Amino acid sequence: EPEVTQTPSHQVTQMGQEVILRCVPISNHLYFYWYRQILGQKVEFLVSFYNNEISEKSEIFDDQFSVERPDGSNFTLKIRSTKLEDSAMYFCASVSQLTGELFFGEGSRLTVL
Amino acid sequence: QQQVKQSPQSLIVQKGGISIINCAYENTAFDYFPWYQQFPGKGPALLIAIRPDVSEKKEGRFTISFNKSAKQFSLHIMDSQPGDSATYFCAARHGGTDKLIFGTGTRLQVFP
Repeated sequence: EPEVTQTPSHQVTQMGQEVILRCVPISNHLYFYWYRQILGQKVEFLVSFYNNEISEKSEIFDDQFSVERPDGSNFTLKIRSTKLEDSAMYFCASVSQLTGELFFGEGSRLTVL
Repeated sequence: QQQVKQSPQSLIVQKGGISIINCAYENTAFDYFPWYQQFPGKGPALLIAIRPDVSEKKEGRFTISFNKSAKQFSLHIMDSQPGDSATYFCAARHGGTDKLIFGTGTRLQVFP
């Protein structure tokens, strides 16, 4: 069964460092998303991406965040200068055009020290 | 208006019992209501979903009941099993966007 894959599974970084989280969405899916989940809290929408541009973003997704689809298969989330409060699980997702179902990856745990 | 309120926060059920999780919303523009199941260390996985033109949807032991006038929807898990122990999130999507608004989650524990 096709799945969304994410790397790394866990990254520990120092405050102020740049972090890039990578995702390979399910092939032939056209809409991609990043969500985040702070430990023990609800899943929150960050950004959606379609046709090589951001289609919607939340208030969480400030200038420190950016997304890119550098090569037609990978979909990346970059945090320019990490803060302690960026520590969370980051989930990539893509949507099936056929069913409208959102498929999530297993997540990348980011720990900012 | 963009919130989805979910209760209870946690739920303990005996094996074979019925688990019921409730959600409520305010925004009448929401047009898609999925439930996600999340095991520790994993991403949320779609369990079952409903649109507001239907009052009930059943898939195996899982049923969504939808009350459009009350702006509430609930997940019923019949014959709950220890393997159902997970965190369940309701969600809603605004018709004009493609983002999901998640509830706060319910941690279900099913004891044998």
